[in-house]
Amino acid sequence: DAGITQSPRYKITETGRQVTLMCHQTWSHSYMFWYRQDLGHGLRLIYYSAAADITDKGEVPDGYVVSRSKTENFPLTLESATRSQTSVYFCASSGGGGRKQYFGPGTRLTVT
Amino acid sequence: DQQVKQNSPSLSVQEGRISILNCDYTNSMFDYFLWYKKYPAEGPTFLISISSIKDKNEDGRFTVFLNKSAKHLSLHIVPSQPGDSAVYFCAASDASGAGSYQLTFGKGTKLSVIP
Repeated sequence: DAGITQSPRYKITETGRQVTLMCHQTWSHSYMFWYRQDLGHGLRLIYYSAAADITDKGEVPDGYVVSRSKTENFPLTLESATRSQTSVYFCASSGGGGRKQYFGPGTRLTVT
Repeated sequence: DQQVKQNSPSLSVQEGRISILNCDYTNSMFDYFLWYKKYPAEGPTFLISISSIKDKNEDGRFTVFLNKSAKHLSLHIVPSQPGDSAVYFCAASDASGAGSYQLTFGKGTKLSVIP
């Protein structure tokens, strides 16, 4: 009954480090999404995935890598973190032909 | 260029009165619109949606109005309650190709309901 979960909820990392944010959903939804929320910008799409092994770029993909080997997991990796990637990251999923997306609780990432 | 615009960053309303949140869009291919509500330190939660074949959808205290000719939608909350204090995001989707499952979000409006 977990729905969609994200881990960690809070993360502090240093510039240049690699960090991976995890997202897991229990609904077997086909679509999964990663967004970042920044003051003055709302929610911006980083990457999305239509199914396992199918991913595509969103509005702000630079500096991020995603993978989706299993339907339920959609990790987001910052290969070399920069201060501009300090943000709150939300994972979302949708399925069953509907366009409504269900969001996780978010990960607050700080890059020092 | 922003395709979904929420021009009011904040709105304050007295408890019991009506809250009206506005949203404008520029992409004429958008055919489905959603409102999400977000509390601090939580993810956005779905509130209400409307298809472009309708001009109104109601769910309890929440009503969304769509004016396609003006490319404008609004969310009405009546009566407003202190628990409605949150950031509200307008989102839109178009039915063409890959865009049909993507949502484009506005920047949000922070609603404060004053007791």
